Amino acid sequence: NAGVMQNPRHLVRRRGQEARLRCSPMKGHSHVYWYRQLPEEGLKFMVYLQKENIIDESGMPKERFSAEFPKEGPSILRIQQVVRGDSAAYFCASSIRGTYNEQFFGPGTRLTVL
Amino acid sequence: AQKVTQAQTEISVVEKEDVTLDCVYETRDTTYYLFWYKQPPSGELVFLIRRNSFDEQNEISGRYSWNFQKSTSSFNFTITASQVVDSAVYFCALSEDYGGATNKLIFGTGTLLAVQP
Repeated sequence: NAGVMQNPRHLVRRRGQEARLRCSPMKGHSHVYWYRQLPEEGLKFMVYLQKENIIDESGMPKERFSAEFPKEGPSILRIQQVVRGDSAAYFCASSIRGTYNEQFFGPGTRLTVL
Repeated sequence: AQKVTQAQTEISVVEKEDVTLDCVYETRDTTYYLFWYKQPPSGELVFLIRRNSFDEQNEISGRYSWNFQKSTSSFNFTITASQVVDSAVYFCALSEDYGGATNKLIFGTGTLLAVQP
């Protein structure tokens, strides 16, 4: 059973470009979470999605960031017009059910903005 | 407000020493879960344990043990006879429920453990 998959593992963008990060949850998992880890910091919750629905986006910056989890295909975290402060590791996690189940994390995508 | 505090930023020990990583949490909920994750130098996050707020029994798994004390809002993690492969950043996390469907994790800032040979 494959774990949570994220691609790309490393992404380099210039300021003003768009970044698209993909996350394929574990088989059978329909809940996806995105977290951001800034350098030398802990992980911060961004958004929680179920298939086709955003359940909690309280941690998402109000501008430039969006997330989706379509009926078919991976979850996508999209960052428009990236700035240097967006440089971070972005982790995706998935779980079977929402409440209290273990979240299994992917290997992360390390975004570098030049 | 929910919060997780890991006061130890860095710990350095020599192989075979025992080491305890501290975690103190704040929550207004009576039902919650606590977690520990390991982040080795390769960067991935490895799930270690989940403990619910109604179960205060200590848990042991090999060289790892966890001490959950609601009276002091602490969930400490001890590694016995540490090894170089234990070198990593360890994160404590809290998950609450306000009657909604979310179980986002609130992470502490992590403790970097360096085990010297």
